[in-house]
Amino acid sequence: EVQLVQSGPEVKKPGESLKISCEGSGYNYFTTYWIAWVRQMPGKGLEWMGMIYPYDSDARYSPSFRGQVTISADKSNSTAYLQWSSLKASDTGIYYCARSRTVVATAPLGDWGQGTMVTVSS
Amino acid sequence: SYVLTQPLSVSVAPGQTARITCGGNNIGSKTVHWYQRKPGQAPVLVVYDDTDRPSGIPERFSGSNSGNTATLTISRVEAGDEADYFCQVWDSNNDHSVFGYGTKVTVL
Repeated sequence: EVQLVQSGPEVKKPGESLKISCEGSGYNYFTTYWIAWVRQMPGKGLEWMGMIYPYDSDARYSPSFRGQVTISADKSNSTAYLQWSSLKASDTGIYYCARSRTVVATAPLGDWGQGTMVTVSS
Repeated sequence: SYVLTQPLSVSVAPGQTARITCGGNNIGSKTVHWYQRKPGQAPVLVVYDDTDRPSGIPERFSGSNSGNTATLTISRVEAGDEADYFCQVWDSNNDHSVFGYGTKVTVL
């Protein structure tokens, strides 16, 4: 069974940095499936932020998030990361990681993590 | 960026059919995926590649895509289908994915 286990909730102040994680297990070849990050702001819809192909760290970003976050992956521990260098209050939300259903970048997201709640408040 | 338009809400009586549309410029030339999101839960893929269903998703969920509109159809609606539904496509011009704004399905 595919499992994506995300790191726990975070409470941060504006200006602080943060890195959250998503560990994949239960399937072979972590490196050959894309891992996407999706934001859900309070009471709002889903926003596709970007994704990474762990095999070669090829990353794609939504224009709305490019330059605002960094997506990375560590093949050695089957983990993908989402990081901010300087958080804003508007970064508050739930962040999901999700695995592509196939090895193709355009594939749907078939497996999802449980979500990480990030709260940014002074 | 490619824009996907969904109705904010759809209401349907139990046992009836719910149709959720996803509009986009020539969306029929793209591949559409649909997700269900219930409160407090991670989203679930319910239809992919326009018309296919992942294992475990009831046959009551079906999809179509043509012209400027893709549609998710839920037949014989049940109370447990009450959720938000999102469409998704790959914006090949800009090399990234896009979600629709979401439709809240209410079972009366």
